[in-house]
Amino acid sequence: DAGVIQSPRHEVTEMGQEVTLRCKPISGHDYLFWYRQTMMRGLELLIYFNNNVPIDDSGMPEDRFSAKMPNASFSTLKIQPSEPRDSAVYFCASSRGISEKLFFGSGTQLSVL
Amino acid sequence: AQTVTQSQPEMSVQEAETVTLSCTYDTSESNYYLFWYKQPPSRQMILVIRQEAYKQQNATENRFSVNFQKAAKSFSLKISDSQLGDTAMYFCAFTGNTGNQFYFGTGTSLTVIP
Repeated sequence: DAGVIQSPRHEVTEMGQEVTLRCKPISGHDYLFWYRQTMMRGLELLIYFNNNVPIDDSGMPEDRFSAKMPNASFSTLKIQPSEPRDSAVYFCASSRGISEKLFFGSGTQLSVL
Repeated sequence: AQTVTQSQPEMSVQEAETVTLSCTYDTSESNYYLFWYKQPPSRQMILVIRQEAYKQQNATENRFSVNFQKAAKSFSLKISDSQLGDTAMYFCAFTGNTGNQFYFGTGTSLTVIP
């Protein structure tokens, strides 16, 4: 298995632009998570899905952020419009179930200028 | 609410020596799972070790072992025979049975000195 695949690995954009981050979880994993990592706040859970259904999006910072999971093999995290404070590393992770270990993607380094 | 606390922002250890990273947590759940993740400069998050709270035996994985003290809500990671490749951020994490959220500590930056 190729593991959790995220794209792009790096994204540089200007304030106000739309940004879309992509994730392909490990096949057979029912849970998908989006995390944001910054020096100031560490790892923050933004949202997670179970069987493609969003379960908890209380970590999504504001309405500029949205996430979808149209099928079991693909998810997107969209920021529109982007702001400099959104600059961070965004991780996607998947797991087989409750209490199972998380498998992380390699992350997307987002820089909003 | 669940919380995970790592009180050591930075640590260093001489190569081949042993180092212990601390982690405490707070929960009202009776059954849960604890993890240590390693994040080297490559940024990849790698699972180091996993402990099930209902198991009294401490988990071990080669040079990595934990000291799990359930009553004290403490879950420390011991790295024996430290190697240069162990240089990384280490995150302690918790997940319970009533939800599937993972709660992460703020991390400990470990440097192995040659």
